[in-house]
Amino acid sequence: EVQLVQSGAEVKKPGESLKISCEGSGYSFTSYWIAWVRQMPGKGLEWMGIIYPGDSDTRYSPSFQGQVTISADKSINTAYLQWSSLKASDTAMYYCAKCREVIPRNWFFDLWGRGTLVTVSS
Amino acid sequence: ETVLTQSPGTLSLSPGERATLSCRASQSFRSSYLAWYQQKPGQAPRLLIYGASSRATGIPDRFSGSGSGTDFTLTINRLESEDFAVYYCQQYGSSPLTFGGGTKVEMK
Repeated sequence: EVQLVQSGAEVKKPGESLKISCEGSGYSFTSYWIAWVRQMPGKGLEWMGIIYPGDSDTRYSPSFQGQVTISADKSINTAYLQWSSLKASDTAMYYCAKCREVIPRNWFFDLWGRGTLVTVSS
Repeated sequence: ETVLTQSPGTLSLSPGERATLSCRASQSFRSSYLAWYQQKPGQAPRLLIYGASSRATGIPDRFSGSGSGTDFTLTINRLESEDFAVYYCQQYGSSPLTFGGGTKVEMK
């Protein structure tokens, strides 16, 4: 079965670090870009960035550049999203999503993880 | 950055009716590189349409997309109960990728 399995919900304090994961299976993980998308409570979708697991080529939205780090470990078919110092405003659901096509920059998403809820509160 | 404006914010319709959702871009982008997604409460988004008008795998033919340039439309013919949800457009023709703010299709 083709799927993206995300790590579980997290509750953190402001200033703490966090790394969440997204494991792909059932397809060639290294061949398709994986994106991260934020959804704040009751709000819409925001593209954060994208990584090509084959060579870890990574692009960021200007809104998230410097705020998060996207990485991947192709040996275990897993992509990551991490923060070095969380803020309350990072409270959101975070989705990983697989691009449908291998063509570079045809970045629309046919497979989504179930999301990881990150809650940042003192 | 290409801003996508979706309208209306909420659409109140009855099963069997037609839904027409609009997505307008602040500037044109690479040819028809627009996708539509459906999101139900507590679920991840699901791809409906890509390339402005191509249906994704398994999407019923009552869903159709059209448009070009800066104006795009998602049409849902003969609404069924499972179609009541929030719909987002997304452009991938220019960087950064952007999503519209969403249209909620609710049952009247």
